[in-house]
Amino acid sequence: DQQVKQNSPSLSVQEGRISILNCDYTNSMFDYFLWYKKYPAEGPTFLISISSIKDKNEDGRFTVFLNKSAKHLSLHIVPSQPGDSAVYFCAASARFGNEKLTFGTGTRLTIIP
Amino acid sequence: DGGITQSPKYLFRKEGQNVTLSCEQNLNHDAMYWYRQDPGQGLRLIYYSQIVNDFQKGDIAEGYSVSREKKESFPLTVTSAQKNPTAFYLCASISGQGLRNTEAFFGQGTRLTVV
Repeated sequence: DQQVKQNSPSLSVQEGRISILNCDYTNSMFDYFLWYKKYPAEGPTFLISISSIKDKNEDGRFTVFLNKSAKHLSLHIVPSQPGDSAVYFCAASARFGNEKLTFGTGTRLTIIP
Repeated sequence: DGGITQSPKYLFRKEGQNVTLSCEQNLNHDAMYWYRQDPGQGLRLIYYSQIVNDFQKGDIAEGYSVSREKKESFPLTVTSAQKNPTAFYLCASISGQGLRNTEAFFGQGTRLTVV
């Protein structure tokens, strides 16, 4: 039972354009969402998060949008840079779920110079 | 320099042997987690601990054991009962319950290979 889904295993984007990574969830108890970036053979690093009381959060080139009614969130990267090439995971947690993070399967983003 | 350290980076195990993966953090975080990454399956939770001397099973705990005798340390033992142990193992910590704006910090991972 995959509670957090990233349906696109890979995405290629031209340098300078916008990258949009999508994530869907099924558990209505999730109220906090995070995006992580991961390079091969390394641990994930935190990018940006959003609480369910918001629908948008920005941090530099990264913006996360949350649509609670659709149980959908997306990560926008503008402009995309070659260093953004990595695997991106979305994760979710529930206030009454012992804070454990449930991860999606990841999307491999490739930025084409 | 605060952080979370996993060792070793690479580990080889013979079939039928138990092995222990180390995870140490000096971030003074209460909660620690073990995840396993397999190709195409994301990160799956093995065990987690929110406080010293207490831990809970995650989604794929079978064949694994943990201990949390100290706040700083959360070792994971992969036992011979784990049928498919070859994977990339990640340890993470979070600063505390109720601090909803705090992200998890991850170690660099341990790649375990059964030979």
